[in-house]
Amino acid sequence: NAGVMQNPRHLVRRRGQEARLRCSPMKGHSHVYWYRQLPEEGLKFMVYLQKENIIDESGMPKERFSAEFPKEGPSILRIQQVVRGDSAAYFCASSLTAAGGKTGELFFGEGSRLTVL
Amino acid sequence: AQSVTQLDSQVPVFEEAPVELRCNYSSSVSVYLFWYVQYPNQGLQLLLKYLSGSTLVKGINGFEAEFNKSQTSFHLRKPSVHISDTAEYFCAVSYNAGGTSYGKLTFGQGTILTVHP
Repeated sequence: NAGVMQNPRHLVRRRGQEARLRCSPMKGHSHVYWYRQLPEEGLKFMVYLQKENIIDESGMPKERFSAEFPKEGPSILRIQQVVRGDSAAYFCASSLTAAGGKTGELFFGEGSRLTVL
Repeated sequence: AQSVTQLDSQVPVFEEAPVELRCNYSSSVSVYLFWYVQYPNQGLQLLLKYLSGSTLVKGINGFEAEFNKSQTSFHLRKPSVHISDTAEYFCAVSYNAGGTSYGKLTFGQGTILTVHP
């Protein structure tokens, strides 16, 4: 799973700033998922993207959060006007097929840990 | 809606002792079941999964799990643990039905396994 690259690994922001988290999927994977892990909790699904398309964003907060996966370049999770409650680990996973998210054929990155002061 | 409950938040054991990490799920439809392991500051790695067939599933590092449909459980076991098994373990489910070709995972809260010498 070292093939999924996330950066930055650690990010510190003050309240009101913007956070941008990047994810490069494994080579050949065009399906990307973002999960959030709050302290003392399991991972929670945020969004599922294919190249240039958001397929399922049912887990994304309605405001301040957005995600994209352009034709070229990494997937980006963007959090505007961060608040302390956004402090969490954000994990990206990729799969070769759409069904990979259902059958567990997911490869996770090492996560980006956001701290909001 | 589906949910996953890991009954123990922390499990301390001595090296070479057996261990069982418990997981129960609730779902109104058929599910796929997974166990992931997370080492400190790393991403998640798939240990094993149940999709269909034999209810006893063997995974990596000597772990196994048994799917019990009547009890809606998927407990993880290892007959003899090593220091290197110290990590956090997550149980997860996804829908095995529905009209979508993709899926997303619902995770439990995690169980921290600590193996003492």
